[in-house]
Amino acid sequence: DAKTTQPPSMDCAEGRAANLPCNHSTISGNEYVYWYRQIHSQGPQYIIHGLKNNETNEMASLIITEDRKSSTLILPHATLRDTAVYYCIVRVALGYGGSQGNLIFGKGTKLSVKP
Amino acid sequence: EPEVTQTPSHQVTQMGQEVILRCVPISNHLYFYWYRQILGQKVEFLVSFYNNEISEKSEIFDDQFSVERPDGSNFTLKIRSTKLEDSAMYFCASSVDTGIQFFGPGTRLTVL
Repeated sequence: DAKTTQPPSMDCAEGRAANLPCNHSTISGNEYVYWYRQIHSQGPQYIIHGLKNNETNEMASLIITEDRKSSTLILPHATLRDTAVYYCIVRVALGYGGSQGNLIFGKGTKLSVKP
Repeated sequence: EPEVTQTPSHQVTQMGQEVILRCVPISNHLYFYWYRQILGQKVEFLVSFYNNEISEKSEIFDDQFSVERPDGSNFTLKIRSTKLEDSAMYFCASSVDTGIQFFGPGTRLTVL
């Protein structure tokens, strides 16, 4: 089973920041936090990942708490095209900084961006 | 931008028939995966493949399933004798050793 807990749904107004929380209280020191999203029935799309530092890329920012037990995905200016199911996933990291193995998807958070 | 492609986009088959779902992973990737998603349910891992052999598989991936990388570009999932409950979206994914898996658009399999 997924080792994360996410709210089942959230709404966000277009143009505003969407803040999606994830609880991963049992995360181990060698586990990364990954975020993916799935728009309608398309293939899951990678968004961002991190180990303990906050991360930012062109799609989003990832804020991980100091104790690593929770994180927040931030979409700074949500658009209608960001309406999707967002998945928070923890994965074991390999020694050299990468990770392998299957992704265990939970039910995610269904984000609805409204005009 | 390179992407994972899958064919066909939709496959309809009769129960008991064999199907082969095809995937072309991103060209420099070394790890390959199959997942499935039954309508309205979670995305579920089926199998991972590295160095021409299965590295990990789930309980779903029983003897009816097999995977193959027949040449340097394709990665296939074969279901030997389809059942009604095999109806689902099947997603292929690939990755290099950084762990980020890139997914294809999926094949919708309908078993009648």
